Amino acid sequence: GQQVMQIPQYQHVQEGEDFTTYCNSSTTLSNIQWYKQRPGGHPVFLIQLVKSGEVKKQKRLTFQFGEAKKNSSLHITATQTTDVGTYFCAGPRGGSNYKLTFGKGTLLTVNP
Amino acid sequence: GAGVSQSPSNKVTEKGKDVELRCDPISGHTALYWYRQSLGQGLEFLIYFQGNSAPDKSGLPSDRFSAERTGGSVSTLTIQRTQQEDSAVYLCASSPSGGDPQETQYFGPGTRLLVL
Repeated sequence: GQQVMQIPQYQHVQEGEDFTTYCNSSTTLSNIQWYKQRPGGHPVFLIQLVKSGEVKKQKRLTFQFGEAKKNSSLHITATQTTDVGTYFCAGPRGGSNYKLTFGKGTLLTVNP
Repeated sequence: GAGVSQSPSNKVTEKGKDVELRCDPISGHTALYWYRQSLGQGLEFLIYFQGNSAPDKSGLPSDRFSAERTGGSVSTLTIQRTQQEDSAVYLCASSPSGGDPQETQYFGPGTRLLVL
């Protein structure tokens, strides 16, 4: 079945350093969504990418969707302690309109 | 309400007991989802409700798991004869219609279930 892999599993950075997490799907995705989960919290939607090669920015966060629509990345510039959390990517499963397959996430910790 | 609510927030039970977890979706959202998140893992799809349509139960891990949604709003996830491997955070999410793959899902705070 469809698999969504994320790397790295963990990333520890000093405040001010950059951070990138990568997401790879075994199948082509119609779209990819990114969620952030703070420690002890629940996933919160960040963004959705739909078009091949799409790049979207939210302040210090840059999201990319690969040309083949099978991979994506999230890059954070100059991390802050508020960026701490687990970042998940998710894509629609198979031909479903609603079933999302989530990656296992990347846990980001930031040393102040 | 303002967001998806779930109760209880935490549940500790003994192996073999039944538990019920409740989800109140965002008002007006017709689609409701249940996920399970084990420690350090991603989210595992369990079940999906859309309006009055038959639910998609394809993600339920065993017949000990069941869910219902009354009146197209509140949903209850029931786990019978709980096992230790059922310990996880159970997350509920809702979305406006569920028919659009580009639709955002809004998550509740989850219920942390611990089976002793």
